[in-house]
Amino acid sequence: QITLKESGPTLVKATQTLTLTCTFSGFSVSTSGVGVGWIRQPPGKALEWLALVYWDDDKRYSPSLKSRLTITKDTSKNQVVLTMTNMDPVDTATYYCARSGVTIVQGVVGPEKYNWFDHWGQGTLVIASS
Amino acid sequence: DIQLTQSPSFLSASVGDRVTITCRASQGISNYLAWYQQKPGKAPELLIYTASTLQSGVPSRFSGSGSGTEFTLTISGLQPEDFATYYCQQLNSYPALTFGGGTKVEIK
Repeated sequence: QITLKESGPTLVKATQTLTLTCTFSGFSVSTSGVGVGWIRQPPGKALEWLALVYWDDDKRYSPSLKSRLTITKDTSKNQVVLTMTNMDPVDTATYYCARSGVTIVQGVVGPEKYNWFDHWGQGTLVIASS
Repeated sequence: DIQLTQSPSFLSASVGDRVTITCRASQGISNYLAWYQQKPGKAPELLIYTASTLQSGVPSRFSGSGSGTEFTLTISGLQPEDFATYYCQQLNSYPALTFGGGTKVEIK
């Protein structure tokens, strides 16, 4: 059985750094073809992808947030950690981690990774206050 | 980034109806599209990936089709538990994974 759970502060102040931990079981992030990503959802709004880390330690970030995000994995602890610097009230959202199924396709410039999220955590609400 | 536009954004339907939701991509994405269902206060759940592959455990009344820039999610025989918000997602993380704006399906 695959499970994921997010943990971290509920309240952060503007300009502070947010650190969220995703603790999972039932799979390993060192297994080929596996990734773990973070997605957020402001209240009443759509989903927004933030970051992804793959089994081979390849990391991808949302271009609009790349300068503020860092994603790391700890295979021994079955954890993936996301940090987001310089928090702002607009970052108030429910933050989800999710396991990614990955298929690799040979593209023009090299292998390309295609990802869907097949298992999700319950989400954690983060409120960024001014 | 590849933009995904879902239509309609809101849909009112009755139990037993056939429902179709469309997702249009700003450029061709082959069949690299997924669909999710999200109920209030819950995490999204994967329904379909690579445009038409049904995720294990998902009822067969859900189906997906399309390629290139136009995709559809069809629910054949809407059930009470299907009233939710549906999102599409394009699968290429370069330069960015993106989601559509969502389609809320409510009871008529």
